[in-house]
Amino acid sequence: DAKTTQPPSMDCAEGRAANLPCNHSTISGNEYVYWYRQIHSQGPQYIIHGLKNNETNEMASLIITEDRKSSTLILPHATLRDTAVYYCIVSSFWGSNYKLTFGKGTLLTVNP
Amino acid sequence: GAGVSQSPRYKVAKRGQDVALRCDPISGHVSLFWYQQALGQGPEFLTYFQNEAQLDKSGLPSDRFFAERPEGSVSTLKIQRTQQEDSAVYLCASSLAETGRHEQYFGPGTRLTVT
Repeated sequence: DAKTTQPPSMDCAEGRAANLPCNHSTISGNEYVYWYRQIHSQGPQYIIHGLKNNETNEMASLIITEDRKSSTLILPHATLRDTAVYYCIVSSFWGSNYKLTFGKGTLLTVNP
Repeated sequence: GAGVSQSPRYKVAKRGQDVALRCDPISGHVSLFWYQQALGQGPEFLTYFQNEAQLDKSGLPSDRFFAERPEGSVSTLKIQRTQQEDSAVYLCASSLAETGRHEQYFGPGTRLTVT
C-alpha cells in the first residue's frame, strides 16, 4: 500500500545538481509531499515539504508537477556529505496522519 | 540548541531479557514518536504521544512492547522478554505541534541486538 515510488539508487558527481524523482499518483488534495534523508547511522533529517507550489529552502528545492502526481527534490550542488537515503513521503495535516510512512527511499551516492 | 537524544546508543541483550530505551525530546515539543527500523528498511511507526497521553500505539508489534511518557517530556520504550526479531534500530522523534503540521526531529537511534 505504498503511496510513493522512488528509484532504489542514484549516483551524482560532486558539485553537480542531484535530481531525485518521486511518483505519488494517488495523492489526495489535502496531502503534502515531505522529503527526509537519512545519513548512515543517523536518524532521518527533515529536508523540505510542499503542497502544490514549488518550494525552496537552504537545503534543497522541491518541484511538484501541476497534477501533483510526481515531484522532484533538487540538491543544487551536491557534496559528499549529501550521500544518504532520501525518502519521499505523502502525508496530510489532518486526522491521524501524523505518523510518517517511510518506504525504502533512494540511496543517493555522491561521487568525487 | 540540543536536539533529540537517545540512550543507550547501542544495546546488546540476551534473548529473554527486558530492555528499556530512553528518549529525551527537544524541550517544549508536544508530540513524540517511536519508530522501529530493521536493517535495509525505512523506519516504521510504533507509537505516538501528545504530551503524556499515548494517542496511538497501533504500530507496537506485540504486548511485549510498552511505551510511556509520564510527565510529557522524557519517554521510555520497554521491551519485555526480547526475541531475535526485536533486533533493530529504535528511533525517537519529536515535533513542536500536536499534529503532523510540523516536521519531526529524529534522534540518532538505539541499535538493539538480541543474541
